[in-house]
Amino acid sequence: QQQVKQSPQSLIVQKGGIPIINCAYENTAFDYFPWYQQFPGKGPALLIAIRPDVSEKKEGRFTISFNKSAKQFSLHIMDSQPGDSATYFCAASIRDTGRRALTFGSGTRLQVQP
Amino acid sequence: EPEVTQTPSHQVTQMGQEVILRCVPISNHLYFYWYRQILGQKVEFLVSFYNNEISEKSEIFDDQFSVERPDGSNFTLKIRSTKLEDSAMYFCASRENPTGLGATDTQYFGPGTRLTVL
Repeated sequence: QQQVKQSPQSLIVQKGGIPIINCAYENTAFDYFPWYQQFPGKGPALLIAIRPDVSEKKEGRFTISFNKSAKQFSLHIMDSQPGDSATYFCAASIRDTGRRALTFGSGTRLQVQP
Repeated sequence: EPEVTQTPSHQVTQMGQEVILRCVPISNHLYFYWYRQILGQKVEFLVSFYNNEISEKSEIFDDQFSVERPDGSNFTLKIRSTKLEDSAMYFCASRENPTGLGATDTQYFGPGTRLTVL
């Protein structure tokens, strides 16, 4: 019940394309959903995050869509660039004081071709 | 911009040896975490630490693991007797006090320590 399922495992798009990465969760207690970007040899870095009281959040070229009833959320990258090539992890946590351990999805390796 | 730092970047050890991984969280943060990532796999939560005590730990964090904040800046993860399966990238993360004005839920990750157990 703590799992976050992420798909696809890998994704190749052309420059300017709109890759979409999907995540699903079971635990309805989750109430914070961040996306992290990780480059090889580096730690994960927060890209964008959403709480379940909104259905969409946009920051620059990155958009999260959230469907609370379906317990799914997704990341869209508009006008993707080769520099976006990285591994993307969705995550979820419970905003209980002192906890908020992140449960990560399995990751999506994105390659944006020039 | 403040960042989480970790040392060493790479640690090689023999099976059965003790290792200590070190982290310096962002200075005004109060919540600290350790995660690990086995090569090619997802990031897994190990332990969270607040107010000088463990607030949550996963099933991975067994008696071989311990955490400590020995002074006002460092946060350490000790593995008492390393096993081959402990080989992974270990990430430290920190988060500010969530009740502070303008505080966020963001966990900031360090660059990681690659632990290789031979």
